[in-house]
Amino acid sequence: RKEVEQDPGPFNVPEGATVAFNCTYSNSASQSFFWYRQDCRKEPKLLMSVYSSGNEDGRFTAQLNRASQYISLLIRDSKLSDSATYLCVVNTPNTGNQFYFGTGTSLTVIP
Amino acid sequence: DGGITQSPKYLFRKEGQNVTLSCEQNLNHDAMYWYRQDPGQGLRLIYYSQIVNDFQKGDIAEGYSVSREKKESFPLTVTSAQKNPTAFYLCASSIGILVPYNEQFFGPGTRLTVL
Repeated sequence: RKEVEQDPGPFNVPEGATVAFNCTYSNSASQSFFWYRQDCRKEPKLLMSVYSSGNEDGRFTAQLNRASQYISLLIRDSKLSDSATYLCVVNTPNTGNQFYFGTGTSLTVIP
Repeated sequence: DGGITQSPKYLFRKEGQNVTLSCEQNLNHDAMYWYRQDPGQGLRLIYYSQIVNDFQKGDIAEGYSVSREKKESFPLTVTSAQKNPTAFYLCASSIGILVPYNEQFFGPGTRLTVL
């Protein structure tokens, strides 16, 4: 079983749409959770950390459900510039502080 | 500016050659990581190091070697034993194991192509 699983998509949405990405993780000892954005042929960049109470940063909202081992990212009012691959990342300290990456969800925002 | 640098950006290797990819960080981070990414796939962990002079194998360490002689440097050598080395190599660092929400920061990557 993979440590982190994501729906690979692709998601093709019109500008202004709301889109949600989901991610599940297998290790209940995982402590920290993140969403990264990766543009084509570039390195991943941190989009936001995911806190237990859920958190919002402008058009982006992240939520964590520890009981279900589930993480989500909601993007409202999609922009063309949001087109990228979104990676769900989980940090598990008791595995030597390894970070586990989902395979990514591809988003294309269409004019 | 603080950050992670990787060099070279593009690297071409003949079969049978060893090559070394550079990774340097000035973030004063304890932990450093090497990943490999193939087209359309996720990141796979090659090696990681939590502290100077110590490192551990990741999921796909065969055909690779590393050293961690200095806190700021974590070079990766791709040896001739690595059968399919053409890929995008990413170096990352994080503060360390004792800090919650210690996210990873990535360098710009090195694209290695075997001719």
